[in-house]
Amino acid sequence: EVLVVESGGGLVQPGGSLRLSCAASGFTFNTYVMNWVRQAAGKGPEWVSGISGSGRRTFYADSVKGRFTISRDNSKEMVYLQMDGVRDDDTAVYYCAKDTRIGAPGWFDPWGQGTLVTVSS
Amino acid sequence: EIVMTQSPATLSLSPGERATVSCRASQSVGSNLAWYHQKSGQSPRLLIYGASTRATGIPARFSGSGSGTEFTLTFSSLQSEDFGDYYCQQYNDWPVTFGGGTKVQIK
Repeated sequence: EVLVVESGGGLVQPGGSLRLSCAASGFTFNTYVMNWVRQAAGKGPEWVSGISGSGRRTFYADSVKGRFTISRDNSKEMVYLQMDGVRDDDTAVYYCAKDTRIGAPGWFDPWGQGTLVTVSS
Repeated sequence: EIVMTQSPATLSLSPGERATVSCRASQSVGSNLAWYHQKSGQSPRLLIYGASTRATGIPARFSGSGSGTEFTLTFSSLQSEDFGDYYCQQYNDWPVTFGGGTKVQIK
């Protein structure tokens, strides 16, 4: 069974940092792009960042570029999202999601259960 | 970035009714369009990819159609477990983008 499980969410002050983790299993991890997608309360999903299977290529939404860093450890089948300089509008449930195509963006399947990040003083 | 616009924002329906949700892209995405269903408190679940291919385990009462900039998700006969939020996503290019959602609620 293909699974992705997020952890690391919590309460963080504006301007602070947080590191999210995603543990993957059940597929050839180093083949697929892995993504972070967030969803603020009552809103639709917003793609945040993606990383290629090798880790050499990274992609970011303009809203987080320069503040967030995605990385992966293929030996541990883990993906990370380092969030620095967080703002109030970064408050959301953050999902880890497996991409489905190789060499091009694809649809996301599966998604993890999500981890809540709350930015507040 | 490609903007995805869904309509209507809300659908109020009874079980057994047929329903249609629309999704429009600001520029052509070919057939690179997916649909997701999200129940309250859960993560999105893939329904359709390639505009019209049902994901594994998705019942035949769900169907997708369209290409280019206009897409449709159709429910032939709503079941109680079908209520919730539906989102379209284009994956033709980075950044992938999602529609704002359609809430399907019980009339």
